[in-house]
Amino acid sequence: EVQLVESGGVLVQPGGSLRLSCAASGFSVSTNYMSWVRQAPGKGLEWVSVIYSGGTTYYADSVKGRFTISRDNSKNTLYLQMSSLRAEDTAVYYCARDKGLVVASWGRGTLVTVVS
Amino acid sequence: QSALTQEASVSGTVGQKVTLSCTGDSNNVGSYAVGWYQQISHGAPRTVMLGTSLPSGIPDRFSGSKSGTTASLTISGLQPEDEADYYCSTWDYSLSAYVFGPGTKVTVL
Repeated sequence: EVQLVESGGVLVQPGGSLRLSCAASGFSVSTNYMSWVRQAPGKGLEWVSVIYSGGTTYYADSVKGRFTISRDNSKNTLYLQMSSLRAEDTAVYYCARDKGLVVASWGRGTLVTVVS
Repeated sequence: QSALTQEASVSGTVGQKVTLSCTGDSNNVGSYAVGWYQQISHGAPRTVMLGTSLPSGIPDRFSGSKSGTTASLTISGLQPEDEADYYCSTWDYSLSAYVFGPGTKVTVL
């Protein structure tokens, strides 16, 4: 069974840094496309970043240069390193497994709150 | 402003058929598979359609189709538990990014 469990969401000050983790089970992160998607309070879903099985990465313009997606194949874990955080980064962050450039599986999410 | 457009809201009675649309252009919907996601009361999203394929565990009253630059999600035989927000998403070649629609709120009357 595919499972994705996010962790690392906390309250952080503007300008701060944070690393989110997503522990995967039931499949290998190294052979799948993996994404981060976020949802600000009361808003819709917003794609953040993707890492392809070959290692290529892409980012939304809103986080480019501030966020870095990576994975640890030995731990079967996906990460999102977030820096220079802003109030508008406040959101629930979901880890997702893609299939054919479509999100197939979702985690339950972790809340990041950026407030001074 | 999203690259994809969806109806803000759709409603129907129990048992009725409703169709949601997701319109883009040749850089996204016209070229790639579209995913549909159900979100109930801002809980975790659930994938209800992978292109035109039904994921395991999703009732077969859900079906997907695409014509040109518009994808559709049809719920045949609307049920009370289908009341939720529905989002569409796909890859956009020109943006090198995934794009999400703004979502459609489905209300069961």
